[in-house]
Amino acid sequence: SAVISQKPSRDICQRGTSLTIQCQVDSQVTMMFWYRQQPGQSLTLIATANQGSEATYESGFVIDKFPISRPNLTFSTLTVSNMSPEDSSIYLCSVGGGTGHYEQYFGPGTRLTVT
Amino acid sequence: GDSVTQMEGPVTLSEEAFLTINCTYTATGYPSLFWYVQYPGEGLQLLLKATKADDKGSNKGFEATYRKETTSFHLEKGSVQVSDSAVYFCALSDRDSNYQLIWGAGTKLIIKP
Repeated sequence: SAVISQKPSRDICQRGTSLTIQCQVDSQVTMMFWYRQQPGQSLTLIATANQGSEATYESGFVIDKFPISRPNLTFSTLTVSNMSPEDSSIYLCSVGGGTGHYEQYFGPGTRLTVT
Repeated sequence: GDSVTQMEGPVTLSEEAFLTINCTYTATGYPSLFWYVQYPGEGLQLLLKATKADDKGSNKGFEATYRKETTSFHLEKGSVQVSDSAVYFCALSDRDSNYQLIWGAGTKLIIKP
């Protein structure tokens, strides 16, 4: 399975500012995903980021608030823009397993607190 | 659309007890089924998977069998340890979900020594 790292691991930010989260994979992958996990909750998919195309956002998430870049097959960024306390969550990136059985492998997450 | 239902937690057990966490699913296609585990302060790890009916996934003493007739994928372990304390997520993926993972709500497991 791929090894995935995320930066930063955690941050405390002021409302109204933006934070960019980086996701690095140790091998080339086609499909990358960004999730949000609010405290004590399950995962909610924000968007799917495939290299060479625009990210596909899920209902309730918009590009202006969560712009995503995917410049190559091993890297992606998610920006949380104009933050409010409601954005306090864990943000996780994942990659498709590539075996045809659709499993995903996850990074360690970025724990964001907005004050 | 596809969905996954897990038993609510928290589930509290004593060390060496038998564990079952129930998971049932609804899918129009033929999904692959997964259990993920999230230890405190960490990301999610794929614990086990099953890709077709009657398959049994196993890892670290945990097992789950893909039961198409009951649309279930219950997680079991014969003797739990304190280190198994975590949140467990059941999930499915198939062509009808556009290959995205559909998640259960998660079940928090607490093992007491």
